[in-house]
Amino acid sequence: AQSVTQLGSHVSVSEGALVLLRCNYSSSVPPYLFWYVQYPNQGLQLLLKYTTGATLVKGINGFEAEFKKSETSFHLTKPSAHMSDAAEYFCAVSGDTGNQFYFGTGTSLTVIP
Amino acid sequence: NAGVTQTPKFRVLKTGQSMTLLCAQDMNHEYMYWYRQDPGMGLRLIHYSVGEGTTAKGEVPDGYNVSRLKKQNFLLGLESAAPSQTSVYFCASSALWDSSYNEQFFGPGTRLTVL
Repeated sequence: AQSVTQLGSHVSVSEGALVLLRCNYSSSVPPYLFWYVQYPNQGLQLLLKYTTGATLVKGINGFEAEFKKSETSFHLTKPSAHMSDAAEYFCAVSGDTGNQFYFGTGTSLTVIP
Repeated sequence: NAGVTQTPKFRVLKTGQSMTLLCAQDMNHEYMYWYRQDPGMGLRLIHYSVGEGTTAKGEVPDGYNVSRLKKQNFLLGLESAAPSQTSVYFCASSALWDSSYNEQFFGPGTRLTVL
């Protein structure tokens, strides 16, 4: 079975500060990993994904994530937070059969002016 | 290209009433999914479909039924709504697994309240 743990349901950062959102996964097979963002009253939008190849993945809006197999982690970072980054962020891992996705419980990011 | 659309956007039901949520996608995706989103619980999979005419249970299927009569549509039904089904429902779709485009595309959601 696959699962995802997001550490910290709420994270606050100052505008211009580093954003770090943590995600750890468990998987019995090589995982496909995803980060999604959800703005208020909207659906989820893909930020970035890791399938194979380079372990540092760059996504939209300046976000990136690094797949670390030894740590079973896929943490999301952004060097400098903007007010527009305030949203809910979800980490997800693909299922064993490849057609199911397992989501973490989400991290709400607040950016303080 | 509208992507994934959901109707209705909002609905209020009384306990015991029934309703159907419609999801449509125009990306020719094989896979479609229904999730519910509740505070502090993230997204939980209700049912999913790997192709026209097929459906399968997800993590929280009780109280829901689904149908995929056409490839582009995935319907979620509540036969007898309960207050515990108050939630935001999201539909998603994705391409064949061996495609490099295996991310899920989400609809805007349906906010359902059961009184």
